[in-house]
Amino acid sequence: KQEVTQIPAALSVPEGENLVLNCSFTDSAIYNLQWFRQDPGKGLTSLLLIQSSQREQTSGRLNASLDKSSGRSTLYIAASQPGDSATYLCALTQGGSEKLVFGKGTKLTVNP
Amino acid sequence: SAVISQKPSRDICQRGTSLTIQCQVDSQVTMMFWYRQQPGQSLTLIATANQGSEATYESGFVIDKFPISRPNLTFSTLTVSNMSPEDSSIYLCSVEKWQDNEQFFGPGTRLTVL
Repeated sequence: KQEVTQIPAALSVPEGENLVLNCSFTDSAIYNLQWFRQDPGKGLTSLLLIQSSQREQTSGRLNASLDKSSGRSTLYIAASQPGDSATYLCALTQGGSEKLVFGKGTKLTVNP
Repeated sequence: SAVISQKPSRDICQRGTSLTIQCQVDSQVTMMFWYRQQPGQSLTLIATANQGSEATYESGFVIDKFPISRPNLTFSTLTVSNMSPEDSSIYLCSVEKWQDNEQFFGPGTRLTVL
């Protein structure tokens, strides 16, 4: 059974810092991996999708990498801003299923 | 991407009643899903809403408790039946426009059962 773990559960940083969020998974036979952000009491916003043949994706100040062999993905946020404060979730699909399996998230606080 | 709306955005319900949640997408999509997020937890898939046929439920979820309809490629409903306080959660629909591609989520419905 696939398990997705995100460490740390919470992170507090000063504004302007570069930071890395980690996501690990137990079964390397994944298809897609997606990173989302969730603001308190809100739905999910898709940030980046890494498909199985890709190793990284970039959007603005965000860069996500995927290493299937080691069961890891990282989300790099450059020059963090208070508006980046949210919970970041990684989720993945496995071959033959569209079901997203989620980690529990990392709650990020960027202090002004 | 896809623009997804859900109704209601939140509700407070009495034990034993039922609530139907609507999910509307601004364009035709191949796949629609319903997830639950219990307080302090991450998301769990309830079922895949299939157009023109019965929904496909995940282990631990049954049709009698969570009946789902999907009459066309842009709309789905999830009913939470015979509610108990344990059903208090955020319910989210998601869509996938093309197979094996990015999923997008609605804003969620926050349900509180007293």
